[in-house]
Order: sequence, then structure tokens, then C-alpha cells
Amino acid sequence: EVQLVQSGAELKKPGESLTISCKASGYSFTTYWIGWVRQMPGKGLEWMGIIYPGDSDTRYSPSFRGHVTMTADTSISTAYLQWSSLKASDTAMYYCARRVAVLGRGDWFDPWGQGTLVTVSS
Amino acid sequence: QSVLTQPPSVSAAPGQKVTISCSGGSSNIGRNYVSWYQHLPGTAPRLLIYEDNKRPSGIPDRFSGSKSGTSATLGITGLQTGDEADYYCGTWDSGLNGGVFGPGTKVAVL
Repeated sequence: EVQLVQSGAELKKPGESLTISCKASGYSFTTYWIGWVRQMPGKGLEWMGIIYPGDSDTRYSPSFRGHVTMTADTSISTAYLQWSSLKASDTAMYYCARRVAVLGRGDWFDPWGQGTLVTVSS
Repeated sequence: QSVLTQPPSVSAAPGQKVTISCSGGSSNIGRNYVSWYQHLPGTAPRLLIYEDNKRPSGIPDRFSGSKSGTSATLGITGLQTGDEADYYCGTWDSGLNGGVFGPGTKVAVL
């Protein structure tokens, strides 16, 4: 069974750093992109970016580029989303998902992790 | 502000049918596959439709997808109370070189 298991909820202060994780199992971690999706309180899903663990190639949404960093450790089949300096506006649920892509035709996300709630408050 | 447009909400009685539209442009829906996701409160989003109109295993045939030009549609027949959720369309945008989601549509079962 393909599964993504995310790390637990976090409570942080503005300016602090944070790394959340997404551990994959049941498939070849290095041959599928992993995507990250944000859902702010009461809002919809936002595409943040994707990382290809096989070579660490990344694509960021302009809205998130420079504020988060996506990495992956193939030795433990785990993807990470990192912040160096959190803001209150980073308070949200963050989902990871396996991206299935068809070259030149598009993609979809399946399955999704259970989500990591990040709360940033002083 | 998403490049995709969905109605904020749709509703129908149990057993009835609803359709949810997702409108985009030539750089996204017009040239790339559309997928649809169901998001129940407190759970992870679930893939309902991929490649415009295909259902993953385990998704009932009450859910269907279609696409024409730069618009896509999700249909849900035989509406059940368990279908109350937010539904999102998603696709790749070749102009942005990134993925996009629609703003989401809340389905209410009256």
C-alpha cells in the first residue's frame, strides 16, 4: 500500500525555524515527485511546489519561493518542508502528496499525507 | 486568486445529481489533464478523478469527470450525506510551470 505519513502538529513563535516531514512507503521513493500543499484556516488548497527525490529537482510556486525549502532524504524515503523564519501567516495545515505525472500531459496527486498543522503565534 | 474558477457551493437533495464546473484557460485546462479531489473536514484530500475522466480503484462510479476545451466538470449522482465535502479541481499550468488548484466548491446535501 502506498502511504505518506507526516510529522505531528507544531506550535512555534514568529521568527523560529521549522522542518516538517513526510515519510513515504509502498513505492519507489526516488521515481515520483512529492508535492506540498497549504491550506490556511478556512481557505482552499494552494499548490506550494514539488520535489523529485531522485535528483532533488524542485519547482516552487512564486508565492512560496524564497520562503520555504523542499528537500528529500532518499536513504529514509522522507521529504521535508523547511522554514528558516516563520511568520504568523504561515499558520496552516500542510499536506504532502505523491505526484503522478504524464510527460507533457499533466499530473495529479495520489495519495496524500494526513497533514501537519503548523501554528505560529507569539 | 486562482487561475481556475469554481462555484463556491452547490446543493441538492439526497439521491439527486450535482455538477461542479472548473473553468480555466489555454495554458492549464486547455492543454493538461484535470484531476478532482474530495476534501472532508479533518481528513486528507482524496483523489476522485484523474486524466480528466478516470476513476482510481475504490472510487464509486457515482463520480464522473469530463472536459471540453478550457472547462472541466465533476458530476456526482445518487447524492449521499457522506458526499458533503469540499471539492477541488487541479491541473498543471504550462505558462506558470507549476500546478494550480481551483478555489473549491462546497457540496451540501439538503
